[in-house]
Amino acid sequence: EPEVTQTPSHQVTQMGQEVILRCVPISNHLYFYWYRQILGQKVEFLVSFYNNEISEKSEIFDDQFSVERPDGSNFTLKIRSTKLEDSAMYFCASSDRTGTSYEQYFGPGTRLTVT
Amino acid sequence: DAKTTQPNSMESNEEEPVHLPCNHSTISGTDYIHWYRQLPSQGPEYVIHGLTSNVNNRMASLAIAEDRKSSTLILHRATLRDAAVYYCILRPLTGANSKLTFGKGITLSVRP
Repeated sequence: EPEVTQTPSHQVTQMGQEVILRCVPISNHLYFYWYRQILGQKVEFLVSFYNNEISEKSEIFDDQFSVERPDGSNFTLKIRSTKLEDSAMYFCASSDRTGTSYEQYFGPGTRLTVT
Repeated sequence: DAKTTQPNSMESNEEEPVHLPCNHSTISGTDYIHWYRQLPSQGPEYVIHGLTSNVNNRMASLAIAEDRKSSTLILHRATLRDAAVYYCILRPLTGANSKLTFGKGITLSVRP
C-alpha cells in the first residue's frame, strides 16, 4: 500500500540553525500539507500546497518557514532560523482529487529538537 | 469553522464494541464529518467520513444523527491496537485542498 515517507525521523539542531524536513508524498497525489504537534498538544496545520503554490497557511507559518517541491517526488519544509519553540513533531500529508473523500494520508513524522 | 466536542477519554474492553460520540451542533449543510485517529508515536490516520447517511468500512462504522448535530464512531470489536486518540473533524464539501483542524480528540484505552 502506498505511503507517505519522511526523513529524517529525528533531527537535532541548535537554535538559529536552518533545517530542512523532507517528505515523499504518495506518487499520484496533488495536494500536500505540513502539520506540527508540540509534545502533549494538538496537531496544528501549517501550510497546504497545490500546483506549486501555497494554497493556505496558518499564522504559525511565518517568514521563517518555506515549502518547496523541488522535483516530482519530494516536498520539503524549511525553517530558516530555528527557535526553541519550533521543537515538535512535523507531519507531512498528501491527498488526491478522486472521489469526494479527499482523505489526507500522513507520514510518520519528523521529531525536531531545537537546543 | 464549525466546532466539534468530544469527551476527553473512554475505556473499553478488548473484543467489545466501542461507541465514540461527537457533538457538532453548528455543522453546516455542506460539512462532511471525518474521523481520524492517532496511534501512539504515529501520524494521524484516516478512519471514515460521512455526510448524512451512516457509513461502514473495514475499520469502523459512522452513525450520523438525523439532524446531523452529532455522530458516533463505532468500532465493532476493539483490539489493543485500537488504543489511540480519535478526532472528529468537520470538512467543507468543496474542501479538496482544505486543512484538517484537529481538536484534542478522545483518548481511547482498551483493556485486555
